[in-house]
Amino acid sequence: GQQLNQSPQSMFIQEGEDVSMNCTSSSIFNTWLWYKQDPGEGPVLLIALYKAGELTSNGRLTAQFGITRKDSFLNISASIPSDVGIYFCAGRETSGSRLTFGEGTQLTVNP
Amino acid sequence: GAVVSQHPSRVICKSGTSVKIECRSLDFQATTMFWYRQFPKQSLMLMATSNEGSKATYEQGVEKDKFLINHASLTLSTLTVTSAHPEDSSFYICSASVLSGANYNEQFFGPGTRLTVL
Repeated sequence: GQQLNQSPQSMFIQEGEDVSMNCTSSSIFNTWLWYKQDPGEGPVLLIALYKAGELTSNGRLTAQFGITRKDSFLNISASIPSDVGIYFCAGRETSGSRLTFGEGTQLTVNP
Repeated sequence: GAVVSQHPSRVICKSGTSVKIECRSLDFQATTMFWYRQFPKQSLMLMATSNEGSKATYEQGVEKDKFLINHASLTLSTLTVTSAHPEDSSFYICSASVLSGANYNEQFFGPGTRLTVL
């Protein structure tokens, strides 16, 4: 079946630093999504990517859909304490089908 | 953005009882709703996909007779955990799918329901 490898599993950074995390897939995806989950809450959609090579920003967040369609990365610039949480990538092979989630990256930002 | 609610947010029940969790899309009509389960420090695991007016499609290993899903309208889906046992204790999250401007179906998640079975 599909596998999504997300790395790193966890990150401990200082406030103000930039962060980068990525996901790789064993199969080709048509859509890449990045979600953030706070403790005890559901995931919140941050960025959606639909085309290979697409680079999309949402404030301090930037994500790219890899050219091979098997990978994606998320960058967070100038991190702040409220960036703390778990970040999940998710991929979808065809429109309307199920999502496959990565294992998540736990981000800790020290003030 | 699209808002999805879940009720209750937290439930504690005795072993052997049944628990119903509601998932509602508040400001849009959802063509499809999904039910996930998440154990501590793990990712989301899809349990079933539900389309309004039709039977849910369950993922491999998920017992359809234990996890009953009803999708009665375009804004409401329910998950009933029947004869709950302690191993069913988990964080249950629903999501609703909506057509975006580009005709892609994105999932918006509810806040989750923490189920604890004693």
